[in-house]
Amino acid sequence: KAGVTQTPRYLIKTRGQQVTLSCSPISGHRSVSWYQQTPGQGLQFLFEYFSETQRNKGNFPGRFSGRQFSNSRSEMNVSTLELGDSALYLCASSFGSHREQFFGPGTRLTVL
Amino acid sequence: GESVGLHLPTLSVQEGDNSIINCAYSNSASDYFIWYKQESGKGPQFIIDIRSNMDKRQGQRVTVLLNKTVKHLSLQIAATQPGDSAVYFCAELGGSQGNLIFGKGTKLSVKP
Repeated sequence: KAGVTQTPRYLIKTRGQQVTLSCSPISGHRSVSWYQQTPGQGLQFLFEYFSETQRNKGNFPGRFSGRQFSNSRSEMNVSTLELGDSALYLCASSFGSHREQFFGPGTRLTVL
Repeated sequence: GESVGLHLPTLSVQEGDNSIINCAYSNSASDYFIWYKQESGKGPQFIIDIRSNMDKRQGQRVTVLLNKTVKHLSLQIAATQPGDSAVYFCAELGGSQGNLIFGKGTKLSVKP
């Protein structure tokens, strides 16, 4: 069974630009969660999607948004990028809840 | 407030020794805890979980202990191997958004 895949793996953007990251969950998994990982803040929850609906949302500004498609694939978008948005963005999927989430390798975003 | 933290940021052990990684949590209402392992360049990998109605759970070479009285979680790795070198995170399910809250992580280094 293929694992969680994320594209692209690496991305370099400049301040003010916007970016879209993609996540394909494990086949059959309907829940997709997104996290931001930085050395200073660790792993922080962004949001969770289940059956195309945002089920939970963390404490991030509205510049961070996401969506989920009918095939459970998910995208997250960050608009008006700031230097502080440089991080590893991780996607995790699970069958029906937060339990036993399976993580992808992440997308390393660098904002210059 | 809600927080999951770690007592030690780094841990160095000799190959073959047992490792103990500790975690403190503050939300007494949390009912589910997970340990993740993250190797360099990869996403977190599920190791073992435990529900709040248990105080011990064993896996292959790993044991998780939960002490709800002092809100403490630990991960024990038996016969630590070089492949165990990674950053270990504890996470609790109990955030206000119903999400996983991760600790900062402990870096485990195994000396041959």
